[in-house]
Amino acid sequence: DSGVTQTPKHLITATGQRVTLRCSPRSGDLSVYWYQQSLDQGLQFLIQYYNGEERAKGNILERFSAQQFPDLHSELNLSSLELGDSALYFCASSERREGSDTQYFGPGTRLTVL
Amino acid sequence: GQSLEQPSEVTAVEGAIVQINCTYQTSGFYGLSWYQQHDGGAPTFLSYNALDGLEETGRFSSFLSRSDSYGYLLLQELQMKDSASYFCAVRVGTGGFKTIFGAGTRLFVKA
Repeated sequence: DSGVTQTPKHLITATGQRVTLRCSPRSGDLSVYWYQQSLDQGLQFLIQYYNGEERAKGNILERFSAQQFPDLHSELNLSSLELGDSALYFCASSERREGSDTQYFGPGTRLTVL
Repeated sequence: GQSLEQPSEVTAVEGAIVQINCTYQTSGFYGLSWYQQHDGGAPTFLSYNALDGLEETGRFSSFLSRSDSYGYLLLQELQMKDSASYFCAVRVGTGGFKTIFGAGTRLFVKA
């Protein structure tokens, strides 16, 4: 158990809909990262927040947005969903902004878009 | 652009040693990490190299050569439970710090 929690574990929705994925980092970790992993693919970095502020952006679609709240939990919002958005979405946390230390991954949210 | 290359698949026998290579082309390189992921599970951190050389943690070792843009993960005394996917990932610092993962190497350990 990494100490990072993600909800929900599974999500099934239809094209065009909007969903919110939630992540709580390990106690004391200030950085939160979001990754997308499609079937048999590597992890695609989406976005990083540090202490409430956006720190780095990857190939995140404009239909996707995220935020980190004062209590350090983070939410990833996916809108106008398409079939291709079906994937595992992981959240990770680390202590330092630069992220050169360990990233601890949550169990993931499996999103299925029908 | 940023790119990483690692073999897609490696097979080895229990008790053997296996090396998984990773070459990268990036700008703003800070370090190379390795993660393990079992089927259906989350990635778990194995090692991080920021400087050239070998880092050893139990049965696992990781090596980095910044001048060659190359690293490897060495797994010794292979066990069946080591069957998993192994990802190399580079930490880059241009335009904000990002972690870019390779496509992963699937390791099959046979009895």
